[in-house]
Amino acid sequence: ETGVTQTPRHLVMGMTNKKSLKCEQHLGHNAMYWYKQSAKKPLELMFVYNFKEQTENNSVPSRFSPECPNSSHLFLHLHTLQPEDSALYLCASSQEAGGGPDTQYFGPGTRLTVL
Amino acid sequence: AQSVTQLGSHVSVSEGALVLLRCNYSSSVPPYLFWYVQYPNQGLQLLLKYTSAATLVKGINGFEAEFKKSETSFHLTKPSAHMSDAAEYFCAVSEGQGGKLIFGQGTELSVKP
Repeated sequence: ETGVTQTPRHLVMGMTNKKSLKCEQHLGHNAMYWYKQSAKKPLELMFVYNFKEQTENNSVPSRFSPECPNSSHLFLHLHTLQPEDSALYLCASSQEAGGGPDTQYFGPGTRLTVL
Repeated sequence: AQSVTQLGSHVSVSEGALVLLRCNYSSSVPPYLFWYVQYPNQGLQLLLKYTSAATLVKGINGFEAEFKKSETSFHLTKPSAHMSDAAEYFCAVSEGQGGKLIFGQGTELSVKP
């Protein structure tokens, strides 16, 4: 596979469940990102990892817990979520988390519904 | 702080007509600017980006954008719309440090037959 993949593509969970989202990039990049996309809102950056180290946590509630075991894989562990957490969660990667002209490549997203 | 404003949350054009999607940015440093497209049930795909070389940037699928510093704009155009162009379009500016991309709210493009 090429590019950035995400699994599962759809997830429905109750507020007491624990689940994980997985992202994998096949581009040889060193930076990975989690974004939240809600209806009628701009994309919200959640977390940034650069060379496996977290470099950004954009005031995300602790019920979202990221994990980056290596530069190719990124997880988002979910527990005791709220209905307002329902959204499309997008993963992205780039060569490094230095910003500038570096392009971020996005996965297809996981559509999360919290009941 | 940098910011992006996309004028018009929804634009509708007829097939074959000009597409113009507006983006204005605010930045205290020379910006890097991006246009992404999102088709239904998919992630974002890069259309084009401005990296301080040529001010007129050509992208995929016949789209182009012109960087105008005096107007702080980076509008996206396509001479002739196709039905397949129907999607949501996002303008973004890079903060330059830390890998942050600041996105606009998006413009949904509809194309009528």
